[in-house]
Amino acid sequence: GIQVEQSPPDLILQEGANSTLRCNFSDSVNNLQWFHQNPWGQLINLFYIPSGTKQNGRLSATTVATERYSLLYISSSQTTDSGVYFCAVDRFSGGYNKLIFGAGTRLAVHP
Amino acid sequence: ETGVTQTPRHLVMGMTNKKSLKCEQHLGHNAMYWYKQSAKKPLELMFVYSLEERVENNSVPSRFSPECPNSSHLFLHLHTLQPEDSALYLCASSQDRGDTTDTQYFGPGTRLTVL
Repeated sequence: GIQVEQSPPDLILQEGANSTLRCNFSDSVNNLQWFHQNPWGQLINLFYIPSGTKQNGRLSATTVATERYSLLYISSSQTTDSGVYFCAVDRFSGGYNKLIFGAGTRLAVHP
Repeated sequence: ETGVTQTPRHLVMGMTNKKSLKCEQHLGHNAMYWYKQSAKKPLELMFVYSLEERVENNSVPSRFSPECPNSSHLFLHLHTLQPEDSALYLCASSQDRGDTTDTQYFGPGTRLTVL
């Protein structure tokens, strides 16, 4: 099956720093989503980005589908950005969508 | 996000107990999902319901039994669980339009501990 790899697995930042998280996938996909899981377990949709670039405040994402990777940029990080960031790819099969998740990048932002 | 709610948020049960997890979505979606998140493992899809019909069962043990009485509600019935079943159980929903533009929205999860 399709493999989703995220890097780095862990990241520690000082507040105000910028960072880039990477997601590689092993096969063509229909779509890709980025999620943030907060310390209480809630998964929050960040981006739905099959290709191209999107921005939302201090966060932006770029997916290059032909090269099978996506990047999540966090600028001017804040302590509230701490948590786990997941990339999930979407393979449409059998009439419904099936998300396959990477292992995540655990981010800790220190004041 | 409050579009998908889950109850209870925390559950502690013995191996001989029977309990149920509940998920409700208020987004008008027609597909619902159960995921399991164990420590240090990626989220694993357990079940998918589309239009109240189960369309995927990822080799989940029979001690987990899903139920989808309508498009807004999804249950996960638990019985004779094992300690290794302790995990965060997440529910999600999406609008299954039969194309590739689906986006899944997640509930806050139920943290289950099996003693």
